[in-house]
Amino acid sequence: AQSVTQPDIHITVSEGASLELRCNYSYGATPYLFWYVQSPGQGLQLLLKYFSGDTLVQGIKGFEAEFKRSQSSFNLRKPSVHWSDAAEYFCAVGAGGFKTIFGAGTRLFVKA
Amino acid sequence: GAGVSQSPRYKVAKRGQDVALRCDPISGHVSLFWYQQALGQGPEFLTYFQNEAQLDKSGLPSDRFFAERPEGSVSTLKIQRTQQEDSAVYLCASKGLAGVDVGNEQFFGPGTRLTVL
Repeated sequence: AQSVTQPDIHITVSEGASLELRCNYSYGATPYLFWYVQSPGQGLQLLLKYFSGDTLVQGIKGFEAEFKRSQSSFNLRKPSVHWSDAAEYFCAVGAGGFKTIFGAGTRLFVKA
Repeated sequence: GAGVSQSPRYKVAKRGQDVALRCDPISGHVSLFWYQQALGQGPEFLTYFQNEAQLDKSGLPSDRFFAERPEGSVSTLKIQRTQQEDSAVYLCASKGLAGVDVGNEQFFGPGTRLTVL
């Protein structure tokens, strides 16, 4: 069965420091992969997506993610975190048909 | 133009009451999805509409949950005889193309937070 694992429930980083959020997926075929961000009281916003081609994907707000098939991973990175990046981040896989499977999320805290 | 809107934003229901949650998708969007997001969890798929046709309702947790989209635009998620375990945020999303193309972006509404006492 398709699944998405985000091993870190929450992460705290200092403003200006680099960030990496981990995501591992389980899916039999080549997956569609997504990262979403959810701020309090807001809907989910798409940061970036991977379908095929270049395994390093650039997104909005300075985020990028790298697809590694051998590790079944799609980790999200940002070189320098801003206080406004504090939010919940969800990794998701397009599971075929109409469904998108989401991970449980990683809450990012940013300290001054 | 306007994004996906949902109403009400907050709903408190007594156990056993029926509730109706509304979703207004982006105008012209063919596909509409409902998700349930429990506290501390990611969204879980409930159901999918392509225009007015409900093509997948495999995620609805029980027969107390019912969704409709009669004219292919606005959708309503109805929960009958609410239970405490129904407490969650219910998210609606729409996208412009048919849902089989999973890669196209879904646009999410802000959600309705349902609390069942």
